[in-house]
Amino acid sequence: AQSVTQLGSHVSVSEGALVLLRCNYSSSVPPYLFWYVQYPNQGLQLLLKYTSAATLVKGINGFEAEFKKSETSFHLTKPSAHMSDAAEYFCAVTPYGQNFVFGPGTRLSVLP
Amino acid sequence: EAGVTQFPSHSVIEKGQTVTLRCDPISGHDNLYWYRRVMGKEIKFLLHFVKESKQDESGMPNNRFLAERTGGTYSTLKVQPAELEDSGVYFCASSNSAGTGDHEQYFGPGTRLTVT
Repeated sequence: AQSVTQLGSHVSVSEGALVLLRCNYSSSVPPYLFWYVQYPNQGLQLLLKYTSAATLVKGINGFEAEFKKSETSFHLTKPSAHMSDAAEYFCAVTPYGQNFVFGPGTRLSVLP
Repeated sequence: EAGVTQFPSHSVIEKGQTVTLRCDPISGHDNLYWYRRVMGKEIKFLLHFVKESKQDESGMPNNRFLAERTGGTYSTLKVQPAELEDSGVYFCASSNSAGTGDHEQYFGPGTRLTVT
C-alpha cells in the first residue's frame, strides 16, 4: 500500500527566505509523485510532478522538488518565498497512474 | 479549454436530507475521480470511473453514497441520507487514459458540504 507523510502541518517563513516542505512516501512499486497547491477558496493546482524522468523536477512559480529514492523523499523547495506563496501544499503518490494517495497537507505562512 | 467544474460550490443541509453533487470533467477525459477531505484530515480517494464504468470504488465510505456517470460524461455523487460526519470538501478530478501519459489529474474547485 502507498502512503505519504508531510512533516509539519504548518510552516512559517519570512518573505525572501528559503521554503522547504517535506514529503516522504511509501510505495511498493515505482511511484509517480506530485505536489499540488490549494490557495484560499480555490481548487487544487498542480505545482510539479515526478514521473520517472529527471529526479530534479522544476514546477511553476519557482518551485522545484528532488526525488530521492534512497530516502523515499520528494521535498519541495523554493529559494525565496513570496507573500503570494501562502497556501496549503499537498504531496501525493500514485502507483501506475491510478487514484492518488495524499499527504495530510502543509499550510505555508509567509511573514513580511 | 474549460477545466473541471463542480456544482454546487457550497451546500448546507440537515442531517437526514439528501444532497447530489455534480462534476463535469474536462472534455475527452475518460477517467473521473471523486475525493473527499473531512475537516482536519487528509484528502481521501472515494472512487474512480473509466468512462461510465466504476473502475475502483474501494474508498466509498458506506452505502449512503451513490456515484453515477451515465454516458461517460458528467458524474453525480449522491449522499442519502446525509450524516454529520459527511461534512467536508468533495473534490472531483479527471485525467486522460490511466496507465499512459503522465498521470496528472486535473482537479475541480470542490464542493463544500456542511451537514447540520
